[in-house]
Amino acid sequence: KNQVEQSPQSLIILEGKNCTLQCNYTVSPFSNLRWYKQDTGRGPVSLTIMTFSENTKSNGRYTATLDADTKQSSLHITASQLSDSASYICVVVKAAGNKLTFGGGTRVLVKP
Amino acid sequence: DVKVTQSSRYLVKRTGEKVFLECVQDMDHENMFWYRQDPGLGLRLIYFSYDVKMKEKGDIPEGYSVSREKKERFSLILESASTNQTSMYLCASSLHALIGEQFFGPGTRLTVL
Repeated sequence: KNQVEQSPQSLIILEGKNCTLQCNYTVSPFSNLRWYKQDTGRGPVSLTIMTFSENTKSNGRYTATLDADTKQSSLHITASQLSDSASYICVVVKAAGNKLTFGGGTRVLVKP
Repeated sequence: DVKVTQSSRYLVKRTGEKVFLECVQDMDHENMFWYRQDPGLGLRLIYFSYDVKMKEKGDIPEGYSVSREKKERFSLILESASTNQTSMYLCASSLHALIGEQFFGPGTRLTVL
């Protein structure tokens, strides 16, 4: 069964600190992996899209990594800000049939 | 900027009522999607449409139908709402089927009593 597992489910960090979110998947064959940020009460917004050949991709203070061999991805948030408080969702797209599989998300709370 | 709008942010309906959720996008995207989002389950695809009057079932189509009469508008219909359809409903659109970036609307939180 194609799955996307995210960890931790939630975390609390102090403003200015860094954190790393994990995404492990079993989806195959792989097309691309995306990270979305979802603020409370809003729809998800795309942060990065990574294909098989990309190991690292940055979007401001957000850096995503991908290891397609081990089927793992991480999202690193540098120098966190209060506005980073949100849920972060990992999405893996299957090459055959172009099916999207969503992870359950990691809820991040940044405290002052 | 792509804008995807949904007709209601919050909706309360009674069991057995027919419910319409409307979604409109302004970027001339071919593809539109309806998801529901429940705690611990992530987003699950209900239906998607890749062209006017075309539709495909997603992972959980039971109890739902859709309508796409115009390119910019995609409607989700609950023929007879049930309490287990209480959820957050998200609409999305994309230029290139499922491999293109999806742009999401703000969501409709539906409560069925």
